[in-house]
Amino acid sequence: AQSVTQPDIHITVSEGASLELRCNYSYGATPYLFWYVQSPGQGLQLLLKYFSGDTLVQGIKGFEAEFKRSQSSFNLRKPSVHWSDAAEYFCAVGDNNNDMRFGAGTRLTVKP
Amino acid sequence: GAGVSQSPSNKVTEKGKDVELRCDPISGHTALYWYRQRLGQGLEFLIYFQGNSAPDKSGLPSDRFSAERTGESVSTLTIQRTQQEDSAVYLCASSLRKFTEAFFGQGTRLTVV
Repeated sequence: AQSVTQPDIHITVSEGASLELRCNYSYGATPYLFWYVQSPGQGLQLLLKYFSGDTLVQGIKGFEAEFKRSQSSFNLRKPSVHWSDAAEYFCAVGDNNNDMRFGAGTRLTVKP
Repeated sequence: GAGVSQSPSNKVTEKGKDVELRCDPISGHTALYWYRQRLGQGLEFLIYFQGNSAPDKSGLPSDRFSAERTGESVSTLTIQRTQQEDSAVYLCASSLRKFTEAFFGQGTRLTVV
């Protein structure tokens, strides 16, 4: 069965530190991969997506993610976290045979 | 409007009553998704429409849940005989085509008392 796993429920980083949020998936076909952010009281916003091509994709707000097929992973990274990045982050995966499914989310707290 | 609109924004209902949640997608978007988000939880897939066809209904939690879509327009999610465990935020999203960027509505917060 298709699944999306975000192993970290909650991560705390200091402002200015680097960030990596993990996402692993189990899909039979070539997946479409997304990262969404949900800020407090806000709707979900797309950060970036991967369909094909370069496995390192750049998104908004300085985020990037790398698709690693051999590891079935699509981890989200940011070199220097800002206080405004505190939010819930969701990885989503789909393929031509299935619908877009979301992971359970990772809550990011940013320390001053 | 320019975005995905959901109504009502909040709904409090008594256990056992039926509720209907509405989603107006962005005009021209062929794909429409419904998700449920319980407090502090991730997004649980409910159903996906391509046009007015729902190829995958496997995410609906029980036969009390049903959804329909009129053409490539408004969708309604109906929950019959609501239970307390149905309390959640119900999110709707639409995208131009399957797997292009999905735009989310603000959700309907359903509370079953």
